[in-house]
Amino acid sequence: DAGVIQSPRHEVTEMGQEVTLRCKPISGHNSLFWYRQTMMRGLELLIYFNNNVPIDDSGMPEDRFSAKMPNASFSTLKIQPSEPRDSAVYFCASSFFQGSTDTQYFGPGTRLTVL
Amino acid sequence: AQSVTQPDIHITVSEGASLELRCNYSYGATPYLFWYVQSPGQGLQLLLKYFSGDTLVQGIKGFEAEFKRSQSSFNLRKPSVHWSDAAEYFCAVGALTGGGNKLTFGTGTQLKVEL
Repeated sequence: DAGVIQSPRHEVTEMGQEVTLRCKPISGHNSLFWYRQTMMRGLELLIYFNNNVPIDDSGMPEDRFSAKMPNASFSTLKIQPSEPRDSAVYFCASSFFQGSTDTQYFGPGTRLTVL
Repeated sequence: AQSVTQPDIHITVSEGASLELRCNYSYGATPYLFWYVQSPGQGLQLLLKYFSGDTLVQGIKGFEAEFKRSQSSFNLRKPSVHWSDAAEYFCAVGALTGGGNKLTFGTGTQLKVEL
C-alpha cells in the first residue's frame, strides 16, 4: 500500500517566484495536514483539512501561503511570491479521523530552497 | 495551548546499551501522545502512540514508552540500542479538534550510536 506521496522532493527557486507543492494522501484517509520544518522553529502545523474542507489555517504564516484540497486524493500548498525565509522542508501527512483518535502518517517531504 | 518539552537535544549511547529519551507535555485534557523517528532526509515514521488504557505501550523496532500522568511524561525506552537507531526522535501531543488531532511537536532529540 502506497504511503503519502509528495512532489517534488526538491525544489530550488528564486525569490519572487511561485512555488506549488503537491501531496497525495493515503487512500481512504479523510484528514490531511501540512507541516513545515526548519532548524529555528522545528515542526509547525500550517493547515489541515477534513473531508477536503480546511479546518484550521491558523498556522499559515502569511497571505503568501495558500492551500487547497480539490478532492480526497490531492492537495496543494502554494507560496506566491516566495522569499528566502520560506526555505524549509514541507511535509504532508494524512490520517483517518474517526471522531476521537487518529494517527498521522507522513510523506517524505519537499525540501524547498528559495534563493 | 499544549506544549512538549524534550530536554535532551543530543544523546550519545554505545551500541547495545539501554536508551531513555525524555518527553514532558503540557495539556489540559487527556493527552494523545506519539513518538516519531526521522532519519536524515526522510519523513517522520511513527514509533508508537498512546490514546488510553495500558500506560506502557509497545512500538516498532523494539521501542516502548510509558505514560505517567502524575509526571506529565511519556519517555521512550529501548533495552538495547542498535547502530541503525541513530536518528532524530520527536515526541508529540495531540489536541482533539473537529477534523483530527492537532499535533504539537517537541524540538527533537538527536541520537548518536557509538560502535
